[in-house]
Amino acid sequence: DQQVKQNSPSLSVQEGRISILNCDYTNSMFDYFLWYKKYPAEGPTFLISISSIKDKNEDGRFTVFLNKSAKHLSLHIVPSQPGDSAVYFCAAENQGGKLIFGQGTELSVKP
Amino acid sequence: GAGVSQSPSNKVTEKGKDVELRCDPISGHTALYWYRQSLGQGLEFLIYFQGNSAPDKSGLPSDRFSAERTGGSVSTLTIQRTQQEDSAVYLCASSFQRGAWETQYFGPGTRLLVL
Repeated sequence: DQQVKQNSPSLSVQEGRISILNCDYTNSMFDYFLWYKKYPAEGPTFLISISSIKDKNEDGRFTVFLNKSAKHLSLHIVPSQPGDSAVYFCAAENQGGKLIFGQGTELSVKP
Repeated sequence: GAGVSQSPSNKVTEKGKDVELRCDPISGHTALYWYRQSLGQGLEFLIYFQGNSAPDKSGLPSDRFSAERTGGSVSTLTIQRTQQEDSAVYLCASSFQRGAWETQYFGPGTRLLVL
């Protein structure tokens, strides 16, 4: 039972355009959501997070949107840069502190 | 400051052998987590430690897997009688404390290959 789903395994975007990565979850008890970025042969790097009391959090080029009624969150990267090419993981944290990860979306930003 | 470190970075072993993987969390972080990523899969929770509390072992896939954390700092994940399906990247993460809204920071991982 996949509680956190990233339905797009890959995404290709032109440099300078917006990248939108999507994530859906099933458990309404999740109250904190995170995005991690992972390069090959490295561990995931924390990117941005959002708590359930907010619907938007912005950090530079990265913005995360949370739609609790739809159990959906998205990560927007604008403008996209070639260095953003990586695998992006969405994760949900329950009150016990355990992270449940999606399968990841591989973003490719083409010059 | 120093991040989470893991050793070894790569490990190749024969089926049936035991392996030990080590994690050094960020100094001051009381919560420590182990995850694994199998080929083509997302990250799968294994176990976590918070201070002196009993660890949450709910994610361990079998009794061949065990972990300990000595002195509230360094942790060792042990896999006994390794099987080929244990091949994966084993990732350690730490956070300031257990609980909601605490960001977990990951180490580089140990890539385990069981032949």
